[in-house]
Amino acid sequence: TQLLEQSPQFLSIQEGENLTVYCNSSSVFSSLQWYRQEPGEGPVLLVTVVTGGEVKKLKRLTFQFGDARKDSSLHITAAQPGDTGLYLCAGVQEYGNKLVFGAGTILRVKS
Amino acid sequence: DAGVTQSPTHLIKTRGQHVTLRCSPISGHKSVSWYQQVLGQGPQFIFQYYEKEERGRGNFPDRFSARQFPNYSSELNVNALLLGDSALYLCASSRSARGETQYFGPGTRLLVL
Repeated sequence: TQLLEQSPQFLSIQEGENLTVYCNSSSVFSSLQWYRQEPGEGPVLLVTVVTGGEVKKLKRLTFQFGDARKDSSLHITAAQPGDTGLYLCAGVQEYGNKLVFGAGTILRVKS
Repeated sequence: DAGVTQSPTHLIKTRGQHVTLRCSPISGHKSVSWYQQVLGQGPQFIFQYYEKEERGRGNFPDRFSARQFPNYSSELNVNALLLGDSALYLCASSRSARGETQYFGPGTRLLVL
């Protein structure tokens, strides 16, 4: 079983729709990061959250870290075709030092 | 500033061969981590090096080894290649070994035939 469970695994929506991707765990994380990855390229960092309950916004993207630092969500408002890609959450466990990834959410936004 | 660089970008090998992948971190970053990403999955942690010392190892066989040089660049070596080693190998750098945000390179795509 994955330490970080992402859902949904795949999402296909129309341009202009809203969506939320979830990242859940039974473990506590000292920080959690969201990445976006294009095919054949490395993950590109979108945001890092470190404080329980923290909310960060990046244009149409809103990231939230759960109060207990065990889960996170990514909400995209008015999705655009350019948002298409693989979204990965990754966390550093409390008292750990390695980055653990979820399996990812493939997002496809159709125009 | 240049980001994380990796070489080569693509590589084709046959079973039983060995391969060396290279990574240069962002200037000022002293930690390098290696990940394997199989198609359709998230990256899996292989190694972390900080100040030329191994700081973490994932669940990979001894065929996988790595090292970090005084200039903080790193090499990942894989011996006796198997078909299942075909993957995107990612290198990430960070300022220190604990809890720092990691920045990824473009990866090396390895195909084992």
